[in-house]
Amino acid sequence: DAGVIQSPRHEVTEMGQEVTLRCKPISGHNSLFWYRQTMMRGLELLIYFNNNVPIDDSGMPEDRFSAKMPNASFSTLKIQPSEPRDSAVYFCASSLVPTLNIQYFGAGTRLSVL
Amino acid sequence: TQLLEQSPQFLSIQEGENLTVYCNSSSVFSSLQWYRQEPGEGPVLLVTVVTGGEVKKLKRLTFQFGDARKDSSLHITAAQPGDTGLYLCAGGRGGGADGLTFGKGTHLIIQP
Repeated sequence: DAGVIQSPRHEVTEMGQEVTLRCKPISGHNSLFWYRQTMMRGLELLIYFNNNVPIDDSGMPEDRFSAKMPNASFSTLKIQPSEPRDSAVYFCASSLVPTLNIQYFGAGTRLSVL
Repeated sequence: TQLLEQSPQFLSIQEGENLTVYCNSSSVFSSLQWYRQEPGEGPVLLVTVVTGGEVKKLKRLTFQFGDARKDSSLHITAAQPGDTGLYLCAGGRGGGADGLTFGKGTHLIIQP
């Protein structure tokens, strides 16, 4: 199994630009999670989907952030416009429900907004 | 509000020593997980504990879930340089469909 695949691995952009992060979950998994990791705040849940439907987006920091899951094998997290404080590592994770809440993480996208 | 407090935040010890890291919360979780993360990679699950008082062993690692399901500890015996990494605890509330609440982690360095 290829695991959770995220792209790009690194993204450098300028303030005000649109950024799109991509995630391909493990085949057969039915839940997908987006997290953000910073030194100050640690790993924070942004949003998660069950069967492609957004369930809880209370962790999304602002309206500049949006996430979609058009099908079971693809999800995007978009930031528009981006700001320097959005710089972080963004992780996608997937799981198969019902299980014991075992999530498999991708390698992350390191975002730098200048 | 940080729901899961991990301590210590940083720990550097010599190879062969024992250590314990802690994960504490005022909230009750249905499950608690421990992850290990290496630089440039995502967290990798080590263990899940679900029953108050549960103890699980994974080679030299011993995990314990508090009786009230609010806290947990990770004990490493005879630490090795390969144990170096960021150890994260995470609490779950749902039956597997909910997102996890993570602590900020313990940065562990084992010096040869």
